[in-house]
Amino acid sequence: DGGITQSPKYLFRKEGQNVTLSCEQNLNHDAMYWYRQDPGQGLRLIYYSQIVNDFQKGDIAEGYSVSREKKESFPLTVTSAQKNPTAFYLCASRWGSNTEAFFGQGTRLTVV
Amino acid sequence: AQSVTQLDSHVSVSEGTPVLLRCNYSSSYSPSLFWYVQHPNKGLQLLLKYTSAATLVKGINGFEAEFKKSETSFHLTKPSAHMSDAAEYFCVVLRGSQGNLIFGKGTKLSVKP
Repeated sequence: DGGITQSPKYLFRKEGQNVTLSCEQNLNHDAMYWYRQDPGQGLRLIYYSQIVNDFQKGDIAEGYSVSREKKESFPLTVTSAQKNPTAFYLCASRWGSNTEAFFGQGTRLTVV
Repeated sequence: AQSVTQLDSHVSVSEGTPVLLRCNYSSSYSPSLFWYVQHPNKGLQLLLKYTSAATLVKGINGFEAEFKKSETSFHLTKPSAHMSDAAEYFCVVLRGSQGNLIFGKGTKLSVKP
């Protein structure tokens, strides 16, 4: 069954800690994306990668880091430098630059 | 620069009545446009997409949207709302040569019995 898997579904972090959100896809898509969703603000692009070993900052990259060592995987690390990390995080993937994106089920991160 | 504006943050309809969710776009060239739906604490699912073929686009679950270049609009409609349509809906446009997706702020649809 092809798709995008995000884990964990819920994540709690203490202030000052780094956490890593997992995103895996078996759709053979080249491009992968991370979005942050806050109530009433739609989705905002954090980082994206169009090919293995390459990635670019999106609109709100500060306080986040990513890696793309494998085509299937695009983990997102939320660092202690991110001032307000509590949000819903969505991972997506696409075939190419003019196609629709497929989304995972999201990870809800809460800072406690 | 490409952008989208969803004109209503919240729309409430009664079950069995028509649904209209409004979206205006800004694009310097012929855009690719999408509508996605999101149920609470879930990912986004594609409802339909416009990529410069037919201006009336049919999607899943009885939804459709009409691309109107003269009005720069891409409104989403459904003839008869169902309780299961209650969700948040996002209008999306592609941006730039790398085709990043630009999301509207969303419209929350409530369906009353």
